[in-house]
Amino acid sequence: EAQVTQNPRYLITVTGKKLTVTCSQNMNHEYMSWYRQDPGLGLRQIYYSMNVEVTDKGDVPEGYKVSRKEKRNFPLILESPSPNQTSLYFCASTGGANQPQHFGDGTRLSIL
Amino acid sequence: QKEVEQNSGPLSVPEGAIASLNCTYSDRGSQSFFWYRQYSGKSPELIMSIYSNGDKEDGRFTAQLNKASQYVSLLIRDSQPSDSATYLCALLSGGYQKVTFGTGTKLQVIP
Repeated sequence: EAQVTQNPRYLITVTGKKLTVTCSQNMNHEYMSWYRQDPGLGLRQIYYSMNVEVTDKGDVPEGYKVSRKEKRNFPLILESPSPNQTSLYFCASTGGANQPQHFGDGTRLSIL
Repeated sequence: QKEVEQNSGPLSVPEGAIASLNCTYSDRGSQSFFWYRQYSGKSPELIMSIYSNGDKEDGRFTAQLNKASQYVSLLIRDSQPSDSATYLCALLSGGYQKVTFGTGTKLQVIP
């Protein structure tokens, strides 16, 4: 089954404790993105990647890191999480330019 | 001005009616346009994509694009209670994968 898999689905943690949210896709897609979704602000792009070792900032990259060492994986790293990063996070992949996004099930992060 | 504007709603329509959802955008270089449906707590799922001016129909859904006026709309015919969700407008511009989403319109279909 074609899918984008995120882990964990839920995480409660404390300020400053490094965390990683994993994302994996099995569709051989070149393009992958991370979004956060907040009430009233909608989905905002954090980072995106056009291929292995090629990443670029989206609209809200501050406080986040990503890497793309393999085509299928695109982890999101919060080196020193803060409460304003409490949000619902989605990973997505795309088969090509002008194609729609396939979303993972989301990760709800709470940072105390 | 926001890059992608949607009325947050809620938009309430009776079952069987036509629901009309609208989206305006500011970037004239936008190339591709998408409508996603999102149920509460779930991930967005693609409803329609449209790339050129005019109408595109898929079952009960019709997407309309007018690049000169910078708007894209989604019509849902014969609305069902299961259509109750938030509908997100998204557009692709500025190169690969620079995707911008609107904040979404909440649709309520009343049985």
